[in-house]
Amino acid sequence: NAGVTQTPKFRILKIGQSMTLQCTQDMNHNYMYWYRQDPGMGLKLIYYSVGAGITDKGEVPNGYNVSRSTTEDFPLRLELAAPSQTSVYFCASSYSSLVWEQETQYFGPGTRLLVL
Amino acid sequence: DQQVKQNSPSLSVQEGRISILNCDYTNSMFDYFLWYKKYPAEGPTFLISISSIKDKNEDGRFTVFLNKSAKHLSLHIVPSQPGDSAVYFCAAEWVSSNTGKLIFGQGTTLQVKP
Repeated sequence: NAGVTQTPKFRILKIGQSMTLQCTQDMNHNYMYWYRQDPGMGLKLIYYSVGAGITDKGEVPNGYNVSRSTTEDFPLRLELAAPSQTSVYFCASSYSSLVWEQETQYFGPGTRLLVL
Repeated sequence: DQQVKQNSPSLSVQEGRISILNCDYTNSMFDYFLWYKKYPAEGPTFLISISSIKDKNEDGRFTVFLNKSAKHLSLHIVPSQPGDSAVYFCAAEWVSSNTGKLIFGQGTTLQVKP
């Protein structure tokens, strides 16, 4: 049981390039999330999905796109990379929305992205 | 608009002593609160949680206290161990939204000195 896996671990992009951050979970979780963490800041929600085929914006969605064609995968797409997107990106999943101490979000190890 | 705030960026304590990490929130709709622990180069891992119908939840060395009237929660670690050195994030959820969305604080870096 691998949990939540993310690839790549680290990437350098030039301004204007595009890339896809991959996220896969093997826990059959319905809910998946993408966060970014900037230095000295907490995690900010970019996009989330409550099931295959359903996605919605979080706090900071501009410059990103997502898709959820399967339960397992939730890729995050950067179309035109900008220096402001330099950050650490975390994918997370949960079985459902958190219900009274019975559930939590499980996080992947993160992807460190540097845009120059 | 920071709905969840951790006003102490860092905290240093001696091994064996108590660590107290604080968190304040502004949105009264939040009804579930969590603490996550994060080591460098790893993703956050769940530590402990509390629902708004309780004022205390304990799990081993970790206890979370919730003061709803003050919109304040705290994490107590007793006794503190060097392995507890990490960044601690508090997070809040509005369960009725049924989205699972968490709002995180900025984090507090805890250093436990041997």
